[in-house]
Amino acid sequence: NAGVTQTPKFQVLKTGQSMTLQCAQDMNHEYMSWYRQDPGMGLRLIHYSVGAGITDQGEVPNGYNVSRSTTEDFPLRLLSAAPSQTSVYFCASSYSGVGRGPLSGNTIYFGEGSWLTVV
Amino acid sequence: AQTVTQSQPEMSVQEAETVTLSCTYDTSESNYYLFWYKQPPSRQMILVIRQEAYKQQNATENRFSVNFQKAAKSFSLKISDSQLGDTAMYFCAFGSNYQLIWGAGTKLIIKP
Repeated sequence: NAGVTQTPKFQVLKTGQSMTLQCAQDMNHEYMSWYRQDPGMGLRLIHYSVGAGITDQGEVPNGYNVSRSTTEDFPLRLLSAAPSQTSVYFCASSYSGVGRGPLSGNTIYFGEGSWLTVV
Repeated sequence: AQTVTQSQPEMSVQEAETVTLSCTYDTSESNYYLFWYKQPPSRQMILVIRQEAYKQQNATENRFSVNFQKAAKSFSLKISDSQLGDTAMYFCAFGSNYQLIWGAGTKLIIKP
């Protein structure tokens, strides 16, 4: 059981380049999400998905695109990288819960993080 | 909008001591979840403990326990018999519906 797998772990980009951070989970989780972590701050939600074909924006979506064509995969695309997007990115997933959404008491599984530097 | 505040940027205690990390939050919702996550230098996010807002009983997990004061919107984490392996960043997070709102974290250092 691999859990949540993120690739690549490290990436250096030039300003203006595009790239995709990959996230895959093998737990049949309906809910998947992307967070970024900047120095001195907690994680901030970029985008999330509650199932294949369904995505929505989080707190800081600008400059990022997502899609969810399968239950297993939730890639994050940087359209035109900027130095402000230098950060550590985390993918997370959980089962869809009952009541008040998929975070209702369910364990949230995190990937190991992807370090992105934009120069 | 929900907010989470951790007022202690860094704390340091001796091994085997008890330490309490503070967390306050702001929300108008009545049903939600609160979490404490540990992030060691490896950056892996590890769930320490979680609390359901409608449960009055404070959650405990071995050496970790919380003091949940719903009216005061306070959710502190107590670590008993602290160990060197507890050295890490600790994040408090508020969960409702489809996202987690995170505090800025407390860096905890356990000294031998």
